[in-house]
Amino acid sequence: DAKTTQPPSMDCAEGRAANLPCNHSTISGNEYVYWYRQIHSQGPQYIIHGLKNNETNEMASLIITEDRKSSTLILPHATLRDTAVYYCIVRVKETSGSRLTFGEGTQLTVNP
Amino acid sequence: DGGITQSPKYLFRKEGQNVTLSCEQNLNHDAMYWYRQDPGQGLRLIYYSQIVNDFQKGDIAEGYSVSREKKESFPLTVTSAQKNPTAFYLCASRGSGQSGELFFGEGSRLTVL
Repeated sequence: DAKTTQPPSMDCAEGRAANLPCNHSTISGNEYVYWYRQIHSQGPQYIIHGLKNNETNEMASLIITEDRKSSTLILPHATLRDTAVYYCIVRVKETSGSRLTFGEGTQLTVNP
Repeated sequence: DGGITQSPKYLFRKEGQNVTLSCEQNLNHDAMYWYRQDPGQGLRLIYYSQIVNDFQKGDIAEGYSVSREKKESFPLTVTSAQKNPTAFYLCASRGSGQSGELFFGEGSRLTVL
């Protein structure tokens, strides 16, 4: 299974960009990278996903390196409400279907 | 509105009792998942199902059972064989296609006394 590695915690000043890294060195060619975030005691919220190209939506940007072994989630103007645990996950394909395995995530704290 | 509903939100049970957590979705998704989360930890996959009447064990299936008799429903039973059942349980579903993202319910917090 492709695993992901993220720093356990990061801090960011309100209004600044938050750049959250993720390593997925064993990712396969057809596996997507997904990002979710979880605010305490709630269900995780989908943020963005990508395969090869960089992606952007109303919440964030996703930068994937050319070798696809790492990616960075960018929150361009972090707010206090962005404080959450951010999970980077890789879609694992099995013969019986596919599953999504979560790692420990990064606790992002946005400071005023 | 379409979404995933988990119930109950909070549940207290005595040790040795089986409990069943409900998960219902009206998103017409084929795939459904159960995750367990302990305090300060990430999510661990218990079971998942890609289609009706079929399901697969995840990473921590021991002490749990599931059924998938209907597309919209994927109940999880925490049996008395589960050594440490107190946890936060999350259900999710995923749309079809290679890039379908997961939609999560709000979770069920089980406390075994």
